[in-house]
Amino acid sequence: GAGVSQSPRYKVAKRGQDVALRCDPISGHVSLFWYQQALGQGPEFLTYFQNEAQLDKSGLPSDRFFAERPEGSVSTLKIQRTQQEDSAVYLCASSFMKKANTGELFFGEGSRLTVL
Amino acid sequence: AQKVTQAQTEISVVEKEDVTLDCVYETRDTTYYLFWYKQPPSGELVFLIRRNSFDEQNEISGRYSWNFQKSTSSFNFTITASQVVDSAVYFCALSVPPGYSSASKIIFGSGTRLSIRP
Repeated sequence: GAGVSQSPRYKVAKRGQDVALRCDPISGHVSLFWYQQALGQGPEFLTYFQNEAQLDKSGLPSDRFFAERPEGSVSTLKIQRTQQEDSAVYLCASSFMKKANTGELFFGEGSRLTVL
Repeated sequence: AQKVTQAQTEISVVEKEDVTLDCVYETRDTTYYLFWYKQPPSGELVFLIRRNSFDEQNEISGRYSWNFQKSTSSFNFTITASQVVDSAVYFCALSVPPGYSSASKIIFGSGTRLSIRP
């Protein structure tokens, strides 16, 4: 498709389960971001990839969160041993620009994670 | 530290009214960018506008206009003659130039939910 695609759109997990969220960015986009959006809040930065290199992971809340982009296109955000506070919408965004502070970001529709 | 404040949590107006969404930002950097994004019910954020810190000219795009004032650290967004399709959550955001190996972390406000009643 032409836009950023995320799957699954909805995920319900029992506390302690591992989950994996997938992002297909726009073809050719160099930069890829993951954001976490809690209910009623703005998105918060998690991590950033430039091609396959994870250049910034300072926003990951704990070592239970792990992201990869092995071939510089599709990215996966993995959350191990999910906790209730992990419940949020996880947004993926891509940009054709490196760093992307000046360019517009193209966002996917998000993956809504609910941890019971 | 950088921060974006959107004090209006929710706004509801009748169609065709004008509405202004407020945004106040904090940063010590002299070079930065400001953005507005729209988040419709479908969930994806849609880019609306970007301004850099050296350009204080106001901008108009159709029914949308933006007022950037460095003196008050504000970047307000006005919708003229609002329409039902304008109903969404609107986010103001701030970014600063990245370091050598880090991304620019675009910092979002908490958003303003705008409801346009027919």
